Amino acid sequence: AQKITQTQPGMFVQEKEAVTLDCTYDTSDPSYGLFWYKQPSSGEMIFLIYQGSYDQQNATEGRYSLNFQKARKSANLVISASQLGDSAMYFCAMREGLVSYGKLTFGQGTILTVHP
Amino acid sequence: GAVVSQHPSRVICKSGTSVKIECRSLDFQATTMFWYRQFPKQSLMLMATSNEGSKATYEQGVEKDKFLINHASLTLSTLTVTSAHPEDSSFYICSAWDRGGEKLFFGSGTQLSVL
Repeated sequence: AQKITQTQPGMFVQEKEAVTLDCTYDTSDPSYGLFWYKQPSSGEMIFLIYQGSYDQQNATEGRYSLNFQKARKSANLVISASQLGDSAMYFCAMREGLVSYGKLTFGQGTILTVHP
Repeated sequence: GAVVSQHPSRVICKSGTSVKIECRSLDFQATTMFWYRQFPKQSLMLMATSNEGSKATYEQGVEKDKFLINHASLTLSTLTVTSAHPEDSSFYICSAWDRGGEKLFFGSGTQLSVL
């Protein structure tokens, strides 16, 4: 069963606009962590934001915020004031359990294109 | 911040040869490292978990004799693709957690092309 689902293969946004990238997850473990990574065409994986399952507030990092809806098992990434440099592939990922150094399972990814 | 260095960034080899990819944690010790494989415009698929001083843990369907992993020190893990074939051509990327276990840092990846 797919544990992390990103249903948007591609998204387009106008420069300076906000965009939401969807992510849903499936786990029976009450302890888990949710991550978002950006992968530009160069291939490097850039960490964007982290949300723990017990965190009460939505995580924010600069222009990135994570809309965490635990009951819906969703962890959408919101990018505000999009820039041309935001064009990349974005991955949602989950780490299950209390082990801080456990493996990450990635979603299928969403290719974001920012238009000028 | 934590940095993971991966070499080489690109390698082209003939079918039947072996290729070694190195992954180093530069300013922290990593008892565990992860090796992922990625095809163009697809997700990262975990191949194996590399454990310092012990055998790697391979994911289901990954041939351990084909993809040899060695984690001889707290800062170095290597992936050797043995007797590479064209179907092994892919982007391979390693990763390691920072000390706090909140950020998984990735190497820059290795694009392997087998002719």
